[in-house]
Amino acid sequence: EAQVTQNPRYLITVTGKKLTVTCSQNMNHEYMSWYRQDPGLGLRQIYYSMNVEVTDKGDVPEGYKVSRKEKRNFPLILESPSPNQTSLYFCASSSGQLDIGYTFGSGTRLTVV
Amino acid sequence: QQQVKQSPQSLIVQKGGISIINCAYENTAFDYFPWYQQFPGKGPALLIAIRPDVSEKKEGRFTISFNKSAKQFSLHIMDSQPGDSATYFCAASIASGTYKYIFGTGTRLKVLA
Repeated sequence: EAQVTQNPRYLITVTGKKLTVTCSQNMNHEYMSWYRQDPGLGLRQIYYSMNVEVTDKGDVPEGYKVSRKEKRNFPLILESPSPNQTSLYFCASSSGQLDIGYTFGSGTRLTVV
Repeated sequence: QQQVKQSPQSLIVQKGGISIINCAYENTAFDYFPWYQQFPGKGPALLIAIRPDVSEKKEGRFTISFNKSAKQFSLHIMDSQPGDSATYFCAASIASGTYKYIFGTGTRLKVLA
């Protein structure tokens, strides 16, 4: 089944403790992206990648890091999480075909206390 | 600028009625306008999309209307059903660019049985 897999689905952590949210896609897509979803703010792009080793900042990159060493994986790293990073995070991938758009993962709900 | 303004924030419609969600953008470089549908606990999924060379696109009960001069586009859901109850996001992108989307803030639609 074609899908984007994120792990974990739920995570509660403490301020300052480094964490990684993994994202993997099995569709050989070139484009991958991370979004955060907050009430009243919609989906905001954190980082995106156009191919292996090619990444760029989205609209809200502060406090996040990404890497794209393999085409299928695009992990999101929070080096020192803070409470304002409590959010619902989505990874998405695309082949670039407009009529298909982005395929989203099921989301990771992160709580930083 | 890069914003996409979406309204209303929430919408309640009777079964069989028409649901209308509106979006406006400012960046005239945008040339691809998708709508995404998100059910609770799931990631968003592409519903329908339009390019600015047409003023309307219809797929089943879902229609996008596009007004290039006003820089506005809207989603119409005809004969709304309880199964349409979801959050809807409009988005804008530059199709030939980095495949970066700017999403609206979302509309939570509830269709009453």
